[in-house]
Amino acid sequence: TQLLEQSPQFLSIQEGENLTVYCNSSSVFSSLQWYRQEPGEGPVLLVTVVTGGEVKKLKRLTFQFGDARKDSSLHITAAQPGDTGLYLCAGAGAGSYQLTFGKGTKLSVIP
Amino acid sequence: DTAVSQTPKYLVTQMGNDKSIKCEQNLGHDTMYWYKQDSKKFLKIMFSYNNKELIINETVPNRFSPKSPDKAHLNLHINSLELGDSAVYFCASSQEGTRYTQYFGPGTRLTVL
Repeated sequence: TQLLEQSPQFLSIQEGENLTVYCNSSSVFSSLQWYRQEPGEGPVLLVTVVTGGEVKKLKRLTFQFGDARKDSSLHITAAQPGDTGLYLCAGAGAGSYQLTFGKGTKLSVIP
Repeated sequence: DTAVSQTPKYLVTQMGNDKSIKCEQNLGHDTMYWYKQDSKKFLKIMFSYNNKELIINETVPNRFSPKSPDKAHLNLHINSLELGDSAVYFCASSQEGTRYTQYFGPGTRLTVL
């Protein structure tokens, strides 16, 4: 069974601060996704990374896939209150339809 | 236009009842999924349908039965509801070739009393 560990579980920061969320596994994934979920809504896809070492940027969000494709990180620069939400990483094994989700990082950005 | 829609949004019912949750996607995707999110926000795959065939069936009780009348719809029927079935159920869809990119519906919050 592939497991994804996310850390930290909870994060409360002031507006304007930087933060990094981690997603780690002992398994290799063929791709890894990051989602953001707001209360009462479904997860919304932010990014998919497929190549080891890949870095993708989405405005103030930077996503990195580890060289060995076992881990990923999400870095947010100058966090805004609108970044508040539950951040989920999810990995897919080779040739699999199945996504394994981490347990999420609940981020609160205080104005 | 909503890409993945679910009905109802909220469902409150008594233990032992049978209920259904409906899901529709208008993205033209060929694969649809049902996930369960527990009170700790952990999302776990329950079922997946690809071109109307079941391709994943995780270890869920057989009281849960997915039904796909066509590739745009995947409904979830639950028999003899139990207290532990209370959760938020999410439908999602994806397309062959980009199957890791899944689009989620808004969720159905099921409460079993």
